[in-house]
Amino acid sequence: QVQLVQSGAEVKKPGASVKVSCKASGYTFTSYGISWVRQAPGQGLEWMGWISAYNGNTNYAQKLQGRVTMTTDTSTSTAYMELRSLRSDDTAVYYCARDLGGDNWFDPWGQGTLVTVSS
Amino acid sequence: EIVLTQSPDFQSVTPKEKVTITCRASQSIGSSLHWYQQKPDQSPKLLIKYASQSISGVPSRFSGSGSGTDFTLTINSLEAEDAAAYYCHQSSSLPYTFGQGTKLEIK
Repeated sequence: QVQLVQSGAEVKKPGASVKVSCKASGYTFTSYGISWVRQAPGQGLEWMGWISAYNGNTNYAQKLQGRVTMTTDTSTSTAYMELRSLRSDDTAVYYCARDLGGDNWFDPWGQGTLVTVSS
Repeated sequence: EIVLTQSPDFQSVTPKEKVTITCRASQSIGSSLHWYQQKPDQSPKLLIKYASQSISGVPSRFSGSGSGTDFTLTINSLEAEDAAAYYCHQSSSLPYTFGQGTKLEIK
């Protein structure tokens, strides 16, 4: 079955970077993209950006431009999301989700990765 | 940026009740509106795509309607397992956005 498995929880200090992985299985990785969505504690969902697994094209949310980089490794069907210059308000659960790109829905979602930013 | 506003924010309901959640977009998005269910400590799950299209494996008591700026998620004959937060999501234009969520509590 189609599945996205994410890396484990991280604790980082302010100013550090974090890189979260998302390993896909059960479908042709390069036929879809991956969107990243985060959810601060007790809050709603925030779209961070999208990457095409076919050609690496990206679209990032403007508020994260310059701090976020999304990449893929097609040899291992894995997507990565790196966030730099971490602040306390980056504390959240980070999700990857399969996304056909363009005008489409997200399905399925990974299990989520908790990133805690604390001094 | 397209803003999605859901109502209500919270609703306490009894089993077998019919529930309606609305999602209003700040500008017309056609049918580019999707609904997700998120149970506590779980990742979101797709319920409805393109405003009204059903998803394989999702119980038939979940249905969606609407187009343009006004959309509705309906849950017929609510079950205890439907206790969750529900989110709408627009894919009409970047940046993709979500509604603030509606939390359903089962009495």
